[in-house]
This record gives sequence, structure tokens and C-alpha cells, in this order.
Amino acid sequence: QKEVEQDPGPLSVPEGAIVSLNCTYSNSAFQYFMWYRQYSRKGPELLMYTYSSGNKEDGRFTAQVDKSSKYISLFIRDSQPSDSATYLCAMRGYSSASKIIFGSGTRLSIRP
Amino acid sequence: EPEVTQTPSHQVTQMGQEVILRCVPISNHLYFYWYRQILGQKVEFLVSFYNNEISEKSEIFDDQFSVERPDGSNFTLKIRSTKLEDSAMYFCASRGTSGGYEQYFGPGTRLTVT
Repeated sequence: QKEVEQDPGPLSVPEGAIVSLNCTYSNSAFQYFMWYRQYSRKGPELLMYTYSSGNKEDGRFTAQVDKSSKYISLFIRDSQPSDSATYLCAMRGYSSASKIIFGSGTRLSIRP
Repeated sequence: EPEVTQTPSHQVTQMGQEVILRCVPISNHLYFYWYRQILGQKVEFLVSFYNNEISEKSEIFDDQFSVERPDGSNFTLKIRSTKLEDSAMYFCASRGTSGGYEQYFGPGTRLTVT
């Protein structure tokens, strides 16, 4: 079983739709959960991070973590064409220097 | 807004040559990382560096790789004898010790080994 699994898509939705992106993981040691956005041939850009289970909201973005199910989600409300990118879920353990383990990324396209 | 910078943006080298990829982390950050992403694949951890030593390295980071913080601002990744399979995007990341604890990534260096 892979440590982090993410549906690669592509996912195409109309502008204004609510987008739901998800990842599952197998390692119970993960404590910090992140979502990064990556445009083609660019570096990952941190969007959201959460510690342990719960929800976190930032503008149009909501991150959810359910540690009991080992399942994390990112919701994008009122999606815009500029949201078109690859979204990477990522997670790490508790230690300060912990490496990040990334999912394979979901390619999202928002149709005007 | 402070950001991680990397040079060069694209490096082409011949198999067997040495390359040095350079990074300038965010100025008050103390943890530094290198990741790579082979085209079409996931971002993979290579090495973490703190207090002038390697904290952790992956199985990819073999004896051909080394890292160094030669001065107070730069962080480098050296590949001693490049192979075709080293062709990838290499990302540097850095992390602070207070406030936000997460890693911020540079724009990457695209390494092409011919």
C-alpha cells in the first residue's frame, strides 16, 4: 500500500463549481497535513496546512483532516479559471525536520 | 514577501559531469531541504539539513550527492557524476522555527542530463 494516495485526475469543472480533492494515507505517524498548488514546471506553493484532525478555512479554501479514516480533503468554493493547476496533498510527522511525503497530485481544470 | 530562490533555472549537462545547484533560502529559516520531481512523477524527498549537518536523507541520496551551506545565505546540492536518470526538476525548500512551520519551495532548477 502506498504511503499517500491521490487520484491524478484530470478533473474538469465549470467556473463557480465547488471542487473536492482528496487523499488517503496509511502512516499513522503523520501529524501535519498540507495542500500545495503547482503550476506547470513551477515549484509547489503552500496553500493550506493543518495539524491533526479538524477543519481549517482560508477564503475560498477549506481543508479537512479525518485521522480516524486517514483521509484528507481540500474544498474550493466558487472556483475560478485561475485555480487551474495541479494540487498536491502532502503530510509529515511531528519532528521539526520531518520530510514531506507528497501525493502524486490531481490536475484540475476550471472551464470558463 | 520573502521567497526561496534557485539558480540556474535550467541546467544542461553531459552524463558523468558534476553539477552544482544553488539555492538561497528565506533569510531567517534554519531548516533546508532538497526534493526532486522527475517529469510526470511525484515530488520526492532527497535530504534535509539543519545546524550544518544532514538530518535525514532518502535512499535516492547516495554517495553521488552532497549538500553544503558554504556561507550564511546559500545552500547547494552537488551531483558528482550525473546519470541520465538524474534528469528532473530539483526543488529547494526552507522552513522557519517560529510562526508558520511549513516548508516553502523555490521555483526549481530543471536539470537535463544528455
